[in-house]
Amino acid sequence: DIQMTQSPPSLSASVGDRVTITCRASPSISTFLNWYQQKPGQAPKLLIYASSSLQSGVPPRFSGSGSGTDFTLTISSLQAEDFAWYYCQQSYSSPYTFGQGTKLEIK
Amino acid sequence: QVQLQESGPGLVKPSETLSLTCNVSGASITSFYWNWIRQSPGKGLEWIGYSYYTGSTNYNPSLKSRVTISVDTSKNQFSLRLSSVTAADTAVYYCVRVVFSSSGSQNWFDSWGQGTLVTVSS
Repeated sequence: DIQMTQSPPSLSASVGDRVTITCRASPSISTFLNWYQQKPGQAPKLLIYASSSLQSGVPPRFSGSGSGTDFTLTISSLQAEDFAWYYCQQSYSSPYTFGQGTKLEIK
Repeated sequence: QVQLQESGPGLVKPSETLSLTCNVSGASITSFYWNWIRQSPGKGLEWIGYSYYTGSTNYNPSLKSRVTISVDTSKNQFSLRLSSVTAADTAVYYCVRVVFSSSGSQNWFDSWGQGTLVTVSS
């Protein structure tokens, strides 16, 4: 199975901050990488697909980049509603696997 | 706007079979691949498998011997059966639609049900 490792496991930030979450894949997955946001009691929500494509309806402050083994999710200016868990997921090969998540908390 | 809604027992006894159904509205069940994904504190998010209305399936090898996912086109719903459950199968189970890119190579989970907690306990 492809291993997905996210860092950091948790992150404290303030409204207005620029935040970056990293996801590393082993082995390489080209651009077959998706990002999801999950709030307490809710299902995950798709933010970014194919490494850098913004899902319809998602604010443009969210962006993704990367290829191969290293990927990033960036939130350009944190809003109060962005404090949540974030997960990366590879769609390169089955079984599709997720990172362990990054908890974004209010500082 | 597609909507997915899981239903089924919230409590299953060890060694028995977990059965869940997902009702799909706002999309044709024959136009997409349909997945089950579960989430537990110990194992995080785990993809269980998917099915297409033709009967084509793809399961996670770690669960393959115990899993069946099937699509009922007459009811626009799909289902999950997981046999011989243990406490390790306790999780929130999500039904999820997967979308493929126009080239068919990329795919992503774009629509999720709200999730249903299934506890395995005697």
